[in-house]
Formats: sequence, C-alpha cells, structure tokens
Amino acid sequence: DSGVTQTPKHLITATGQRVTLRCSPRSGDLSVYWYQQSLDQGLQFLIQYYNGEERAKGNILERFSAQQFPDLHSELNLSSLELGDSALYFCASSVGPGDSYNSPLHFGNGTRLTVT
Amino acid sequence: DAKTTQPPSMDCAEGRAANLPCNHSTISGNEYVYWYRQIHSQGPQYIIHGLKNNETNEMASLIITEDRKSSTLILPHATLRDTAVYYCIVRVEGGSNYKLTFGKGTLLTVNP
Repeated sequence: DSGVTQTPKHLITATGQRVTLRCSPRSGDLSVYWYQQSLDQGLQFLIQYYNGEERAKGNILERFSAQQFPDLHSELNLSSLELGDSALYFCASSVGPGDSYNSPLHFGNGTRLTVT
Repeated sequence: DAKTTQPPSMDCAEGRAANLPCNHSTISGNEYVYWYRQIHSQGPQYIIHGLKNNETNEMASLIITEDRKSSTLILPHATLRDTAVYYCIVRVEGGSNYKLTFGKGTLLTVNP
C-alpha cells in the first residue's frame, strides 16, 4: 500500500460529460502529480501541485483542470469528455517539490475512466 | 532528461536472479537513474535509484557502470509477483519542477 488514495476506482460516463477524480496524498507529502495512462500512449505526466500551487505542467488538455486544496488533497476535473479520454488516471505524491533526490514518487492505484 | 533504452521483454525462472538492463548513453553528470515497476493495472511502484555508486535496498540492487552509460537492475530471487513492466528513468535533480518521463519499459515475466 503506497498510502496514496484515489477515488473512485472506476468511472463510466458519456461523451460530453464532466467528471472529477480525487486524490489524497501520503501523510506528510506536499506534492501531488497527475498522470494519464492509455493503451497507446503509456504514462503521460499531466500536472504537478506543491503545497497548493501549480508547479509543473505537462501534456494536459485545456478541457482538463486540477487543483490542490489546503488539506493537500487534489482533484482532477475532466470536461467535455471524448472517447479518447478513456484511460487510467494515476495520482502520485512526494515529500518535496522535486528539488531533492530523496523524494521518489508514490503512486495510487488509479481511476479507470471509460467514456462511452 | 536523457533518453533510455530497454529491451521490450524478458523472461526469468522463479527463484533465479532477474537482471534488467538499461542503456542511457546520453546521461548527464547530474542525472540520477531511477527504477519503477508497474504490476498490471496498478500504480507504478518506486524500486531504487542512484547516481554513480551501486545501490541496494530490500527490493533490488542497482549496478551502474563506471561511465554511467548503462545500468542493471537486479532482483536477486525473482518470484511470480515480480512479473511487471519495469521502467528505467533518468532525471535531473534540482530545478524548479519534477516530473518523471516513463518510456515503454521492459515486461519481465517470471515463470514457475
């Protein structure tokens, strides 16, 4: 058990809809990261937050947004969903902002999103 | 970040050592080598990382060549539960952002 909690485990929705994925980091971790994993793309970094502020941005679509709350949990919002958004969405956390090599990522078990 | 090259798949007999190679010939002096693994449909799991010295922990050993252009992850006594995709990643320490770029990895299949 990595200590990172993601809910829900599974989500099925229709095209055009909006969903929210939730992540609770490990106790004491201040950074949260979101990754997308689809069959043909592998693991893709989306975005990172550190202590409530956006820290780094990857290949995140404009239809997607995220935030980290004062209690450090994070939410990833996906809107105007398309069939191609079907994927596993992973959250990870680490202690620091990324400046220390002693801060590996700890991943949750993901949310499987199916868009029909 | 430097690019890595890994074989797409490997087999190993249960109880034997699994040696997973990784080539990172363009690695820079301040880049660390990280290994993660992903068991089917679970989140990736951190295994080990190092800069230039060999490293060992309860999960595995990491052997980095003297020129740092390649490394080997060693699982000393592979079990069926070690069947997973293993990712070798190099990344720079320090700086204002932190992200890991996962390639395709090596699918290790441990056979009974």
